[in-house]
Amino acid sequence: NAGVMQNPRHLVRRRGQEARLRCSPMKGHSHVYWYRQLPEEGLKFMVYLQKENIIDESGMPKERFSAEFPKEGPSILRIQQVVRGDSAAYFCASSPRDRSGETQYFGPGTRLLVL
Amino acid sequence: QKEVEQNSGPLSVPEGAIASLNCTYSDRGSQSFFWYRQYSGKSPELIMSIYSNGDKEDGRFTAQLNKASQYVSLLIRDSQPSDSATYLCAVRGRGSTLGRLYFGRGTQLTVWP
Repeated sequence: NAGVMQNPRHLVRRRGQEARLRCSPMKGHSHVYWYRQLPEEGLKFMVYLQKENIIDESGMPKERFSAEFPKEGPSILRIQQVVRGDSAAYFCASSPRDRSGETQYFGPGTRLLVL
Repeated sequence: QKEVEQNSGPLSVPEGAIASLNCTYSDRGSQSFFWYRQYSGKSPELIMSIYSNGDKEDGRFTAQLNKASQYVSLLIRDSQPSDSATYLCAVRGRGSTLGRLYFGRGTQLTVWP
């Protein structure tokens, strides 16, 4: 049973470029969550998506960041015009359904480095 | 802003000892609590979930929840060097934030042989 898949595992971008991070949830899971972990800091929620719907994006920075989870294919977190402060580990998690108590399982993460 | 507080540590215990990790949370109405383990450079891995007051045991791990005190803890019995990692306490949101987990900053545990 494959777990949450993320790619790429490592991504290097220069300032001003775009970063696209992909996440495929566990089989049977229809809810996806993105978290960011800055160096020496805790995990911070960014966005919660279901297929074709953004449920909660209150943790996303207002500019340059967007996320989608299309009907077909992986969820994508997109960062436009990256800056050095975007360097972090970005983790995707999935759960089977969003009831109180459903557990979120994390993928291996994408380490983004902005030069 | 909901807060989850953990002692940052580091916590250092000898092999075979009991490691005790603590967490407090600010939202009195919280219902769902999780402990994750994160090795350096890796992703969080679920250890335990707990929803009701009292103790929940799974192998060498015991989670304890006291909603009145807004306190959740994790005990690791017979600690092993392989338990050395950062332990993250997470609390699930409510209402419009039901989908998100609020994480503490983690407690770094070292188990020495």
